[in-house]
Amino acid sequence: DVKVTQSSRYLVKRTGEKVFLECVQDMDHENMFWYRQDPGLGLRLIYFSYDVKMKEKGDIPEGYSVSREKKERFSLILESASTNQTSMYLCASSKNRGGEAFFGQGTRLTVV
Amino acid sequence: QQQVKQSPQSLIVQKGGISIINCAYENTAFDYFPWYQQFPGKGPALLIAIRPDVSEKKEGRFTISFNKSAKQFSLHIMDSQPGDSATYFCAASVTGGFKTIFGAGTRLFVKA
Repeated sequence: DVKVTQSSRYLVKRTGEKVFLECVQDMDHENMFWYRQDPGLGLRLIYFSYDVKMKEKGDIPEGYSVSREKKERFSLILESASTNQTSMYLCASSKNRGGEAFFGQGTRLTVV
Repeated sequence: QQQVKQSPQSLIVQKGGISIINCAYENTAFDYFPWYQQFPGKGPALLIAIRPDVSEKKEGRFTISFNKSAKQFSLHIMDSQPGDSATYFCAASVTGGFKTIFGAGTRLFVKA
């Protein structure tokens, strides 16, 4: 069974903290993505990566960075967490660009 | 031009009824139109997808209708069941492209 695993289901962090969200996939997919999900706004792309050590900005990259040191792992970093980054974060991977995406279960982050 | 507009935002249907969710797009380069289903506490998962060379695709109780000239596509859920209660996202992408554009989502509730 294919899997995308996010390291935490729930996180509570303080304003100004550096936050790491980890994602691992076991499908040998080249493409990986980070989205945030907010009610009424759907899924918005933060960053994506199409190869190891490669990264591209999505639609809302401000306040975030990413790291992809290994093919199976894609990390999202909030450099200095703010309350407006309270959201559901979803990691996804895909075999083909523009094709079916496989999602993790999500991390609900609350910044207080 | 990159947007995918989805309606309605929420939908309540009686058990056994037909649920209809609509999406519209502008970018004529899109050639892959998936629908994702998300249950509470889970990440989205691919439900059904269509390419613009066909006008309809059916999988069990789920049907996508596609109108290329109108740049619209819709999801029909026949004989809706309480277990179909979930959030549904339409999406669009270009094969080989990096981004998938998601609609804002529709929360479906099927009353028993």
